Amino acid sequence: DVVMTQSPLSLPVTLGQPASISCRSSQSLVYSDGNTYLNWFQQRPGQSPRRLIYKVSNRDSGVPDRFSGSGSGTDFTLKISRVEAEDVGVYYCMQGTHWPPTFGGGTKVEIK
Amino acid sequence: QVQLQESGPGLVKPSETLSLTCTVSGGSISSYYWSWIRQPPGKGLEWIGYIYYSGSTNYNPSLKSRVTISVDTSKNQFSLKLSSVTAADTAVYYCARGHGQYWGQGTLVTVSS
Repeated sequence: DVVMTQSPLSLPVTLGQPASISCRSSQSLVYSDGNTYLNWFQQRPGQSPRRLIYKVSNRDSGVPDRFSGSGSGTDFTLKISRVEAEDVGVYYCMQGTHWPPTFGGGTKVEIK
Repeated sequence: QVQLQESGPGLVKPSETLSLTCTVSGGSISSYYWSWIRQPPGKGLEWIGYIYYSGSTNYNPSLKSRVTISVDTSKNQFSLKLSSVTAADTAVYYCARGHGQYWGQGTLVTVSS
């Protein structure tokens, strides 16, 4: 299976400040069709995951534009430009290029 | 807006079969593929498998020998069966569309005698 490694495990952030989460895969996530199937999910406390970003950098409908995704190959980043209180939760990257899809271990974002 | 809702027993005995159903509303189950994902308490996420509306399936090799996913397009539902369960199968089970565009609220299944 493709191993997804996220860092940091925990990310204390001051309200209004930026945050960045790294995700690295053990293999390239470029699929044979040229797409890179790397998604980002937010899981707020007590809720099911919500997809924020698909195919590296595409925001899902209703996702605030303070969330952005970037990267290529095996190295990816989720950025929050200005953290708000509602952004508290665990963030997961997920690859869908290789079977089975696999998730990173999660990054817990909390307010300082 | 597409909504998904899991249903099924919250308690299953060891060695028995876990059975869950996901009901899709706000859209047709035809087209797209539909997934089952689980999350043990306090832990990360694991993909179980998916089914296409036509009935073709793909299962995680780690669970393949015990998993069956089926679809009932007439009811806009798809289902999960996981056989020979142990305590390690205790988790919140989610259904989702595709690679997680939409998720159900999840249902906790505990394996215990």
